[in-house]
Amino acid sequence: DGGITQSPKYLFRKEGQNVTLSCEQNLNHDAMYWYRQDPGQGLRLIYYSQIVNDFQKGDIAEGYSVSREKKESFPLTVTSAQKNPTAFYLCASSIGGTDTQYFGPGTRLTVL
Amino acid sequence: GIQVEQSPPDLILQEGANSTLRCNFSDSVNNLQWFHQNPWGQLINLFYIPSGTKQNGRLSATTVATERYSLLYISSSQTTDSGVYFCVYNNDMRFGAGTRLTVKP
Repeated sequence: DGGITQSPKYLFRKEGQNVTLSCEQNLNHDAMYWYRQDPGQGLRLIYYSQIVNDFQKGDIAEGYSVSREKKESFPLTVTSAQKNPTAFYLCASSIGGTDTQYFGPGTRLTVL
Repeated sequence: GIQVEQSPPDLILQEGANSTLRCNFSDSVNNLQWFHQNPWGQLINLFYIPSGTKQNGRLSATTVATERYSLLYISSSQTTDSGVYFCVYNNDMRFGAGTRLTVKP
């Protein structure tokens, strides 16, 4: 089945710990994105990548880091520097940088 | 960057009613998408509609780029239409705040 997978679905971490969220796609898309969604709000762009080994900061990149070593994978690390990490994190991909985006099911991160 | 404003923020309908959701932009746009977020958080692509009108079953969308708005029409609404509807300007990856739709049986 073609699509975007995110794991895990729910994640709990203690304050001060770094945590990495997984995002994999088998759609052969060049571009991938990470968004954050807080309750009752829209999505905000954290990072995006148009090609392998290249990525750009979005509107709220502080406290987050990414890598794009493979076309299929775009992991997001939420570092201890992120002041309010509890949120719903969504990964997306598209053929190119401005094309139709397709979303994964999301990861709900709770920091205790 | 472009500002995206959605209206209304909340909408409650009786099953079978029709509705119109609106997305306004602060500048002319040429790359727009509509999504439905279901109660489980999954975002489902409804339309990629940089201009003109598209229809898919009970849903249709119209974008008038020069007038800086897009409309999403839902006809004969069903309870499964409930959720949040977002428009997004793909060039900036900028989402509106969404319209929360509740369809009552």
